[in-house]
Amino acid sequence: GEDVEQSLFLSVREGDSSVINCTYTDSSSTYLYWYKQEPGAGLQLLTYIFSNMDMKQDQRLTVLLNKKDKHLSLRIADTQTGDSAIYFCADPKSNTNAGKSTFGDGTTLTVKP
Amino acid sequence: GAVVSQHPSWVICKSGTSVKIECRSLDFQATTMFWYRQFPKQSLMLMATSNEGSKATYEQGVEKDKFLINHASLTLSTLTVTSAHPEDSSFYICSASVAGVADTQYFGPGTRLTVL
Repeated sequence: GEDVEQSLFLSVREGDSSVINCTYTDSSSTYLYWYKQEPGAGLQLLTYIFSNMDMKQDQRLTVLLNKKDKHLSLRIADTQTGDSAIYFCADPKSNTNAGKSTFGDGTTLTVKP
Repeated sequence: GAVVSQHPSWVICKSGTSVKIECRSLDFQATTMFWYRQFPKQSLMLMATSNEGSKATYEQGVEKDKFLINHASLTLSTLTVTSAHPEDSSFYICSASVAGVADTQYFGPGTRLTVL
């Protein structure tokens, strides 16, 4: 979506870290989300971060939020081939329901052995 | 965790026919379900918000008479693509919302519709 932007492709080697970036325009959101979509499947919520947080870590995933620059990133440590998928960031903006989020166009992560 | 199913997972139909896609929350009740459309290599486009027992709310540009949504129970919402045309070919995804922390959404696996 035009209000949420992501780079389209990222390629890394197995074992390296992956960093997927996202910028958004609306600063009224309470949360921001990261989803993973494997080929031919629906979306899976990976993690979310409250807008009053700068960082959230969940096992191999680290989310960083820079509210001033309206920049969100997802870092995957020790990237594995199973991490190959499309990753979407989503911004619910002022909506009270996450279903009305604006999704980025998705970043296709390719992990090479 | 909460599971959302969709049926069928794929369907091929002739132009002019109608196709019904079901979205079910298997182990929880969902007062709100959402229908999305996803074109190849593109993001999700929200089509409509489906509330149990009431009319669906359609996003701007989505034809309500073409994409009929029925949310008959707390576990089932259906999307019917009426008089389908090749340009309706797409990946349709539903999600069900669970109120609570971060209003977690659970997505179905999607339905691939191909209209010949």
